[in-house]
This record gives sequence, C-alpha cells and structure tokens, in this order.
Amino acid sequence: DQQVKQNSPSLSVQEGRISILNCDYTNSMFDYFLWYKKYPAEGPTFLISISSIKDKNEDGRFTVFLNKSAKHLSLHIVPSQPGDSAVYFCAAGRSQGGSEKLVFGKGMKLTVNP
Amino acid sequence: DARVTQTPRHKVTEMGQEVTMRCQPILGHNTVFWYRQTMMQGLELLAYFRNRAPLDDSGMPKDRFSAEMPDATLATLKIQPSEPRDSAVYFCASGGGGYRTDTQYFGPGTRLTVL
Repeated sequence: DQQVKQNSPSLSVQEGRISILNCDYTNSMFDYFLWYKKYPAEGPTFLISISSIKDKNEDGRFTVFLNKSAKHLSLHIVPSQPGDSAVYFCAAGRSQGGSEKLVFGKGMKLTVNP
Repeated sequence: DARVTQTPRHKVTEMGQEVTMRCQPILGHNTVFWYRQTMMQGLELLAYFRNRAPLDDSGMPKDRFSAEMPDATLATLKIQPSEPRDSAVYFCASGGGGYRTDTQYFGPGTRLTVL
C-alpha cells in the first residue's frame, strides 16, 4: 500500500530547461510535504517543503506546488543545472496525531545534461 | 556544522552473522529514525524513537531486528541473524530540534551486504 507515489522512475532534461517532478499521495490526513535530494553514497538532504495551507512554496530555483483536491504535488526546478542530477524523494507527514513519521516515495532519478 | 553520523559506512558479512549499525543524532534533536533503502521499496521506515523511547517499530522484522537508544547520543540497529535479503543501505535520521521541527536530517548511511 504505497501512500506516496512517484510514478516515473527517471527524468532527463537539458541544462537550462525546466525539470518537473511529480508526486501523488493517497492519505488525505497528510498535511505537510517535503522534497529530499540524494546524491550517490550520501544520505538524503532536505530541499523544500510545503504545508497544506499553501498551494505554492518557492526557494530560489525550486518551487513546490500542491493540489490538495487532486492529492498531487510537483517540484519545479528552473533553470535546471547539471549539479541537480540526483535522486529526488517526495515525502508526506501529518502534523496532527503527535507523530513525526514521514512516508517517502520510491524516488525519481533526475539527470540534467550539459 | 551539525550532522548525523553513522558507522560503519560499509559492512560485508556472511549469512547468520550479527550486524550492529550505530548512529549519532544531531545534538538537541529528540527524534531518531531508522530507514532501509532498497531498489524495490525505496525508503522504508524501520523504527522511530522520541526522547529515546521507541514509538513505532512496525516496519521492522521483529524476529531478527532490534533497535535501541542506550543514550541520547547513540542509536543502534542490530540484525541477528543476518540474511542475504537484508542487503540494503540503512539510514539513520534525526529531527525535532530547533527551527524546522518537520524536517529529518539524514546520516550518510551504512551499506550492508550479506553474502
């Protein structure tokens, strides 16, 4: 039972173009969402997050969009750079209920070609 | 530069042997998580502690895995006996301190190979 789904395992884009990474979730109790980035042989690092009270959060080249009715979020990277090549994980959590647990998707490998 | 540390970084062992992985969470963080990463399942939560108390270990095979926090600076994950299907990267993460209470900070992982 995958509560957080990243249906595309990989994406390849040209440097300078936009990268769009998608994530779907099934549990309507999730109210905050995070994106993590992972380089080979390293642990995932936090990239950007969004609370369910917002529909957009921006941090430099990274923007996360949340569509609660569709239970869908996306990460936009503009412009994409070769250093963005990594595996990106979408994660979701519940601020209510006293649990700090996050549920992660399986990840998506982004390759940005020079 | 506060970070989560994990030892060992790599471990190769034979089936049936005991494996112990260690994690030092970021000072001041009150939650610790153990994850396993595999190609098939992605990042799976194995166990979760808050203030050193185990809150959830439902993701862990109970018969062979155990997780403890002997003190606030050390978390351990043990596998006894290990099996080839346990081969994976095991990550520790900590969180709950300071500004971003919803963010988990990951260690570099322990790559386990069970032959």
